Amino acid sequence: DVKVTQSSRYLVKRTGEKVFLECVQDMDHENMFWYRQDPGLGLRLIYFSYDVKMKEKGDIPEGYSVSREKKERFSLILESASTNQTSMYLCAPSGPPGREMSYNEQFFGPGTRLTVL
Amino acid sequence: GQNIDQPTEMTATEGAIVQINCTYQTSGFNGLFWYQQHAGEAPTFLSYNVLDGLEEKGRFSSFLSRSKGYSYLLLKELQMKDSASYLCAVRDRSGGSYIPTFGRGTSLIVHP
Repeated sequence: DVKVTQSSRYLVKRTGEKVFLECVQDMDHENMFWYRQDPGLGLRLIYFSYDVKMKEKGDIPEGYSVSREKKERFSLILESASTNQTSMYLCAPSGPPGREMSYNEQFFGPGTRLTVL
Repeated sequence: GQNIDQPTEMTATEGAIVQINCTYQTSGFNGLFWYQQHAGEAPTFLSYNVLDGLEEKGRFSSFLSRSKGYSYLLLKELQMKDSASYLCAVRDRSGGSYIPTFGRGTSLIVHP
């Protein structure tokens, strides 16, 4: 079974703090995605990476940055946390499209519920 | 960009059948996914369609019509544990990247 782990399930930070959210996968997938999920807004893509040291902006990258130094690890960074970044953050790796189902589905990590005070 | 539309909420009775629709607009379609998400948990994969037609998997089936930009998830023999949010996601090819975009989800409530 694919295993996706995220560094924390719950996190409370103060406005202005630098926040690191880490995601580690064990399936050797090239693609990794960071989403945030808010009531009524669904899952929104923040950043994604399709290879080591590669990164692309998603739909809502403002206020975030990412790091992909190793294939299995994709970090989301909040440079200066703000209250509007209070949300559930979900990491999801996936393989390249292919006939095998395991390449197509995204496996989500358990999520990190971040509260910024 | 993409537009993905699905109903916000649906209710159904235990033992019944329910169909959750999803319509989308995309320029580089490369697959449609359905996920189930229980409250407080991460989404879990249910199905994947890339060709037209019906894919069946136990009590769950998913249908795709690419020409109509339409999909549905069919849940049979509903159980109370099927109460959850169901997310439709469309993967779009943009340059060399394959990017899934999610709808806002349909909250399904199953009554006894």
